[in-house]
Amino acid sequence: EDKVVQSPLSLVVHEGDTVTLNCSYEVTNFRSLLWYKQEKKAPTFLFMLTSSGIEKKSGRLSSILDKKELFSILNITATQTGDSAVYLCAVEAGYGGSQGNLIFGKGTKLSVKP
Amino acid sequence: DTGVSQDPRHKITKRGQNVTFRCDPISEHNRLYWYRQTLGQGPEFLTYFQNEAQLEKSRLLSDRFSAERPKGSFSTLEIQRTEQGDSAMYLCASSSSWTSGRGETQYFGPGTRLLVL
Repeated sequence: EDKVVQSPLSLVVHEGDTVTLNCSYEVTNFRSLLWYKQEKKAPTFLFMLTSSGIEKKSGRLSSILDKKELFSILNITATQTGDSAVYLCAVEAGYGGSQGNLIFGKGTKLSVKP
Repeated sequence: DTGVSQDPRHKITKRGQNVTFRCDPISEHNRLYWYRQTLGQGPEFLTYFQNEAQLEKSRLLSDRFSAERPKGSFSTLEIQRTEQGDSAMYLCASSSSWTSGRGETQYFGPGTRLLVL
């Protein structure tokens, strides 16, 4: 059965700290891995990763994928209280041109204290 | 506003009643997805449309659930004879298959929070 496992499930840090969130997966017909940020509403898209070893960056956030070891990490540097949220990892699995279901992990709840 | 929209944002109903939710995707997106999310869990896939065709349904989608996308634009999700276990956030997402290559980004709407009493 396809699954996505995130760790840790929750994390408390202080402003200015750097955090690393982990996502491992076991899926057939991997297509892509996506990271979302969810506050008290719907998930908002952060990154989509399809190739191993290529880092994606957006401001203080960065992410990388290892397709050999089947995991991804999301780094947040110089954390701010506004980074407090649940970070969801999802893997898209599908065949050729068919649709890709998103299989989500349970998320990592990040709390950034002032 | 060019994002995914959902209506209503909140719905409270009594057990046994029918409810219907609407999703309007991003206009140029041909794919539309429904997910369900309960507290402390990631979203779970329910069903998926490409244009007006419903191409896949999860085993989570019991026969009390039905979804339509009649003109390939907006979609509705109906739950008949609601049960307390149906209480959840129902999320809609859309994406485009027009880009070549693997992977596509799904953009989520704000969700409809359902409470069944």
